[in-house]
Amino acid sequence: AQSVAQPEDQVNVAEGNPLTVKCTYSVSGNPYLFWYVQYPNRGLQFLLKYITGDNLVKGSYGFEAEFNKSQTSFHLKKPSALVSDSALYFCAVREDTGRRALTFGSGTRLQVQP
Amino acid sequence: EAGVTQFPSHSVIEKGQTVTLRCDPISGHDNLYWYRRVMGKEIKFLLHFVKESKQDESGMPNNRFLAERTGGTYSTLKVQPAELEDSGVYFCASSQEWGGYTFGSGTRLTVV
Repeated sequence: AQSVAQPEDQVNVAEGNPLTVKCTYSVSGNPYLFWYVQYPNRGLQFLLKYITGDNLVKGSYGFEAEFNKSQTSFHLKKPSALVSDSALYFCAVREDTGRRALTFGSGTRLQVQP
Repeated sequence: EAGVTQFPSHSVIEKGQTVTLRCDPISGHDNLYWYRRVMGKEIKFLLHFVKESKQDESGMPNNRFLAERTGGTYSTLKVQPAELEDSGVYFCASSQEWGGYTFGSGTRLTVV
């Protein structure tokens, strides 16, 4: 069975500081990993994905994530946080074969203080 | 290209009533998924269509939920009769054979 853990319900960071939102996963085969963001009263917006290749993935709005196979992690990072980054972030996984549906984590609320 | 469209954006119904949610995927996307998020919890998979066929409906909670995809285009998700625990945000997503998953804005369902 697939699973995703986002251990922090909320992350607080000051504007201009680096941010990290943590995600660990469990799958039987090779993982496809995703990050989505949800702003208030909006749908899920795609940020980035890891399928294969370079472990460091760069995505939208200056975000990046590093795939770490040995630690089964895919943490989301940004070097300098903006107040406008405040939102709900979801990590998701699926296996490279078999079921195509995504398995999501419970979400992490990011609050960036001015 | 137009995104994934969901209708309505909000729905408030009484327990025991019927509600139908609609999803229009991106044109040409054969794969269509329904998910829902109950307040504060993870987003859970409901079912997956490939064109008009149900590929995986393992996430459907019970037989009060009925999903259809007419002609492989738009999809509807009917809840009949609705219960209080059905409240949440229902998301639809579509994708090509292999590509990213594009999500709609969701339908917020409140059962009172």
